Amino acid sequence: ETGVTQTPRHLVMGMTNKKSLKCEQHLGHNAMYWYKQSAKKPLELMFVYNFKEQTENNSVPSRFSPECPNSSHLFLHLHTLQPEDSALYLCASSHLGQGAQQPQHFGDGTRLSIL
Amino acid sequence: AQTVTQSQPEMSVQEAETVTLSCTYDTSESDYYLFWYKQPPSRQMILVIRQEAYKQQNATENRFSVNFQKAAKSFSLKISDSQLGDAAMYFCASLTQGGSEKLVFGKGTKLTVNP
Repeated sequence: ETGVTQTPRHLVMGMTNKKSLKCEQHLGHNAMYWYKQSAKKPLELMFVYNFKEQTENNSVPSRFSPECPNSSHLFLHLHTLQPEDSALYLCASSHLGQGAQQPQHFGDGTRLSIL
Repeated sequence: AQTVTQSQPEMSVQEAETVTLSCTYDTSESDYYLFWYKQPPSRQMILVIRQEAYKQQNATENRFSVNFQKAAKSFSLKISDSQLGDAAMYFCASLTQGGSEKLVFGKGTKLTVNP
């Protein structure tokens, strides 16, 4: 059981397709995050949203476009992706400012495969 | 910049035995937090244990404990009485407060538990 829900669980798309990943948190948190997890590499932070405002863009290519309509929902819009973008995309949420008292909670991730 | 290094790509342990996973980190911040996360095949990143840098006492959570050596910037995880369900990828991570709370992860250690 997780307080952070990600859909879809798996996604296969062509390089010219447009798709979106969805994340929803039910924990009352005010910060949400997108991470990319590739094989044999550390998790890479992509975006951070605090109170719906983007506060971090970790040099992510523009073919990834995040959207945070409210503090409970986070989207990652994808278009014209490259094969190296195939990875597990993890969403997380936390209560900002609480440090270790409120660590980040993660979803199950979306496994993305680019053909 | 923060960095986290896990030097053991894979480890194995016999059921009921004890295993220690290594982690070193580097940060210029004085106020930071350290975490161990577990990622089973189900993919969800689950918090195992956390340590505030200002606390000298090592954190303990049931069978999981850490050996926090601040001067050496070392943060190892000890799993006692290993169980089959402990088999997973284990990630060490550090976080500094202030502004965006950015978790920086190591590459992970794959733990196998042998019956």
